[in-house]
Amino acid sequence: GESVGLHLPTLSVQEGDNSIINCAYSNSASDYFIWYKQESGKGPQFIIDIRSNMDKRQGQRVTVLLNKTVKHLSLQIAATQPGDSAVYFCAETLPSGANSKLTFGKGITLSVRP
Amino acid sequence: NAGVTQTPKFQVLKTGQSMTLQCAQDMNHEYMSWYRQDPGMGLRLIHYSVGAGITDQGEVPNGYNVSRSTTEDFPLRLLSAAPSQTSVYFCASSYSGQGNNSPLHFGNGTRLTVT
Repeated sequence: GESVGLHLPTLSVQEGDNSIINCAYSNSASDYFIWYKQESGKGPQFIIDIRSNMDKRQGQRVTVLLNKTVKHLSLQIAATQPGDSAVYFCAETLPSGANSKLTFGKGITLSVRP
Repeated sequence: NAGVTQTPKFQVLKTGQSMTLQCAQDMNHEYMSWYRQDPGMGLRLIHYSVGAGITDQGEVPNGYNVSRSTTEDFPLRLLSAAPSQTSVYFCASSYSGQGNNSPLHFGNGTRLTVT
């Protein structure tokens, strides 16, 4: 079946380096993608989103890239800080845009080394 | 704004007991939903509501009931708790359940253990 998934279960980076978290999606009909961050003991927190009519979107220290050709989504975090340590989820939804159709990946842990 | 508030934060139940997980939001969001999060399973949708008086089933609705009598509140009821319902439960809301500009806002979860 079709699903949203992440390539790596854990990612360890040095403080100050850039982080890249990857996500593959298999439903070519998906047109809206979201990244969430979940810190220990807390609920997921919205980071950034992107529509399928865009290839790139930037926020504060974060950039999301969408490659529709290979159905790949990535989250780039610049100058990674200890506070960035968390589990990161990608999510996708279909053109209906219904949040009830949102599909979440299983998550990847980002660990920042001091 | 407090955002999405869930109570209690922790709960232990015995098999067969019932309880209600509370969720309230103060952002005037129309859409509210309940997810459960289990290791290796990701977030799975239990029930959702697109507005007061309207509820619908998600991916894993069995064993749970919901109601939406007001815009602010969306309680989740476990009718007869089972060990398989041991999980972390998240309530989430968004301005609209439709459309691509309504990211979900999550509460901090209720950690439920059923023995």
